[in-house]
Amino acid sequence: DTAVSQTPKYLVTQMGNDKSIKCEQNLGHDTMYWYKQDSKKFLKIMFSYNNKELIINETVPNRFSPKSPDKAHLNLHINSLELGDSAVYFCASSQAYNWGGSYEQYFGPGTRLTVT
Amino acid sequence: KQEVTQIPAALSVPEGENLVLNCSFTDSAIYNLQWFRQDPGKGLTSLLLIQSSQREQTSGRLNASLDKSSGRSTLYIAASQPGDSATYLCAVTTLGAQKLVFGQGTRLTINP
Repeated sequence: DTAVSQTPKYLVTQMGNDKSIKCEQNLGHDTMYWYKQDSKKFLKIMFSYNNKELIINETVPNRFSPKSPDKAHLNLHINSLELGDSAVYFCASSQAYNWGGSYEQYFGPGTRLTVT
Repeated sequence: KQEVTQIPAALSVPEGENLVLNCSFTDSAIYNLQWFRQDPGKGLTSLLLIQSSQREQTSGRLNASLDKSSGRSTLYIAASQPGDSATYLCAVTTLGAQKLVFGQGTRLTINP
């Protein structure tokens, strides 16, 4: 009964490759997010989708492309991987912000991406 | 632009002590504030969420307070245990910005 799940948990790849990370939530939330945690453990928002529509794109290189096939899934595709993309990527979800709820965010377990 | 700061960056205390972790934010127009726990190599576990209209929230040995006007929150941990050792992260949602802005965390070590 995992609330927010991500696959894979670990991803090791070479520079220049293209890779995807998948995220699924079974909480019935409308809003999903991708966060990046760098080597200094600092967490920062990358993207946010509300009901399959992009609402936040935080100056992320266009090599990163999120895709939301439905409101329960938000995948992250990364083209032409670079050494600096090595990080832990977290998916999260919450209720939509126009619903008057608590908007508590629930996080997945993270995907550790290592680019060699 | 919202900025979140956590002090101290690291804290080591003997088991059984009560302790306080601090979080400050620059823009007081927040929707909520969340405290998370992150164990090494693991994901984030939500500990407490405080809405902007609330002053504090409690869960077991944890108590989080919020002073929105001064841009401060504290996480109080009573009777600390070695299992409390982890990194504690504070994050806020600013009004009109549908995202969490995180502090850099406090790495807590409880010594048996």
